[in-house]
Amino acid sequence: DIVMTQSPDSLAVSLGERATINCKSSQSVLYSSNNKNYLAWYQQKPGQPPKLLIYWASTRESGVPDRFSGSGSGTDFTLTISSLQAEDVAVYYCQQYYSTHTPSPLTFGQGTKVEIK
Amino acid sequence: QVQLVESGGGVVQPGGSLRLSCAASGFTFSSYGMHWVRQAPGKGLEWVAFIRYDGSNKYYADSVKGRFTISRDNSKNTLYLQMNSLRAEDTAVYYCAKDCAPVSLYYYYMDVWGKGTTVTVSS
Repeated sequence: DIVMTQSPDSLAVSLGERATINCKSSQSVLYSSNNKNYLAWYQQKPGQPPKLLIYWASTRESGVPDRFSGSGSGTDFTLTISSLQAEDVAVYYCQQYYSTHTPSPLTFGQGTKVEIK
Repeated sequence: QVQLVESGGGVVQPGGSLRLSCAASGFTFSSYGMHWVRQAPGKGLEWVAFIRYDGSNKYYADSVKGRFTISRDNSKNTLYLQMNSLRAEDTAVYYCAKDCAPVSLYYYYMDVWGKGTTVTVSS
């Protein structure tokens, strides 16, 4: 199975400052046939289900504020919140779906908790 | 609007069984693959199972293979998860989630999630 490792486990950022979350996969999730990275990001606020933010590593879901952006390729990915707002306090998860081609289990990172400093 | 509503959770003894349901509305249910994802108390997300849009193929996490069965009734717009031989480590909130791709052989990411139903396995 593809193992997803996020860093850090938690971070505290001042309002208006940048937050950066990293996600590393144990093998490349770049599919050569279509040159797409099979990587998604989710946001989960306390007591709520996860919400899709980013897919194909860098495509923002409709309605997601443009302060959220995704980047990276192969095995290393980043979710950036350019200017942290109070409503962004949440746990963020990356998820690979490259395993659909195997097929093998979908896997998530362990999560990164974002708080206000 | 697109909505998923889970039900069927509860408290069950180790070794017992439970069937979860997920009622879908606001989209063409029969065109989309569906997932179950769970979250143990205070823990992260764990993918449990996927079923193709037409029910032709099913995939499971190793942790539930042989004990859980995913199924769907497209005439009722409902997804199911039959859970047998339950263990304490199956205690979690169970979410159903819609796959993003219509009429697809593959599974990808989840673009709509239900609010979840809680399963507690305890004597």
